[in-house]
Amino acid sequence: KQEVTQIPAALSVPEGENLVLNCSFTDSAIYNLQWFRQDPGKGLTSLLLIQSSQREQTSGRLNASLDKSSGRSTLYIAASQPGDSATYLCAVALSYNTDKLIFGTGTRLQVFP
Amino acid sequence: NAGVTQTPKFRVLKTGQSMTLLCAQDMNHEYMYWYRQDPGMGLRLIHYSVGEGTTAKGEVPDGYNVSRLKKQNFLLGLESAAPSQTSVYFCASSYGDRVYNEQFFGPGTRLTVL
Repeated sequence: KQEVTQIPAALSVPEGENLVLNCSFTDSAIYNLQWFRQDPGKGLTSLLLIQSSQREQTSGRLNASLDKSSGRSTLYIAASQPGDSATYLCAVALSYNTDKLIFGTGTRLQVFP
Repeated sequence: NAGVTQTPKFRVLKTGQSMTLLCAQDMNHEYMYWYRQDPGMGLRLIHYSVGEGTTAKGEVPDGYNVSRLKKQNFLLGLESAAPSQTSVYFCASSYGDRVYNEQFFGPGTRLTVL
């Protein structure tokens, strides 16, 4: 059974720092991996989607990498800002059932001025 | 485009009452999903649909029913609410294309069952 883990559960950093969020999965048979952002009391917003054949994706100050063989993905946030404060979730789509996403429990990020 | 919308935003029920949550999307997506989010558990898939008139069970389907009579709408029903169904419910939709399966989420419905 696929399990998705995100460590740490919470992170607090000063503004301007570069930071890395981690996502681990137990079954390397994934179709793609997606990173989401969730603001308090709101729904999820998709940030980046990496197909299993890709190594990384970039969008602005965000860079997500994928290492299928080791079951790991990282989300790199450059020059963090208070507006980046949110919970970040990763989710994997299984290669043998791409209809569903398996979610991690998230990392709650706080960026203070 | 409104994207994915959910009705209602909040609801309080008593044990045994019934209700229906409505999800609507205007992106002509084939696939729609219902998730619940509980503290420390992440999001878990309740039911999903791969097209109009179809439904399928997810990870935690017990106590819920769904219907997809129109492509743009996906309804989640609770026939006899229980306190264990207190949660935040999210609807999502996607093109369903296996090459690009990004899911778009609604804002959520916060349900409390007393």
